[in-house]
Amino acid sequence: KNQVEQSPQSLIILEGKNCTLQCNYTVSPFSNLRWYKQDTGRGPVSLTIMTFSENTKSNGRYTATLDADTKQSSLHITASQLSDSASYICVVSDDNDYKLSFGAGTTVTVRA
Amino acid sequence: SAVISQKPSRDICQRGTSLTIQCQVDSQVTMMFWYRQQPGQSLTLIATANQGSEATYESGFVIDKFPISRPNLTFSTLTVSNMSPEDSSIYLCSVDGTSGGAGNNEQFFGPGTRLTVL
Repeated sequence: KNQVEQSPQSLIILEGKNCTLQCNYTVSPFSNLRWYKQDTGRGPVSLTIMTFSENTKSNGRYTATLDADTKQSSLHITASQLSDSASYICVVSDDNDYKLSFGAGTTVTVRA
Repeated sequence: SAVISQKPSRDICQRGTSLTIQCQVDSQVTMMFWYRQQPGQSLTLIATANQGSEATYESGFVIDKFPISRPNLTFSTLTVSNMSPEDSSIYLCSVDGTSGGAGNNEQFFGPGTRLTVL
């Protein structure tokens, strides 16, 4: 069964600090990996999409990495802002039917 | 990108009643998806709604409980029937977009409908 595991489940950081979220997956065959940001009361919004051949992708202060060999990804948030407080969801698509497997998300709280 | 709206944004319903959630997209799309997100959990796909054919349901979800309509390429509804407190969840509509070609299809999500069943 395809699975996506995220860690930590939640974290609290001070404004201006950096943090890194982890995602491990067992989805096979692999098509792509996405990171979404979900604000409270909103739907998920895509931050990055990476295919097998990409090992890093940035979107402003968000940088995602992918190691397709070890089936691990990380999302690094630089110089966090209060608006970064949200749930971050790792989503992996398989190469057969592009079905999506969702992680449970990491809840990030940025405090002033 | 696609802009998706959902109605209602939230509702509180009594056990045994039904609620129909509407999803409107600002462009024509082939496939629309309905997800459920229970508190503290990941998104779970309920069904894929295709225009002109019956919806395709995932394991654990049935048409009698979650009937879906897809009258055109920009609109879909999901009904949660005979509700129980276990149906309390966020229901999300999603569409498949494209971003860079095959294998890079991006999914866009609506804002969700927060349902509480008493």
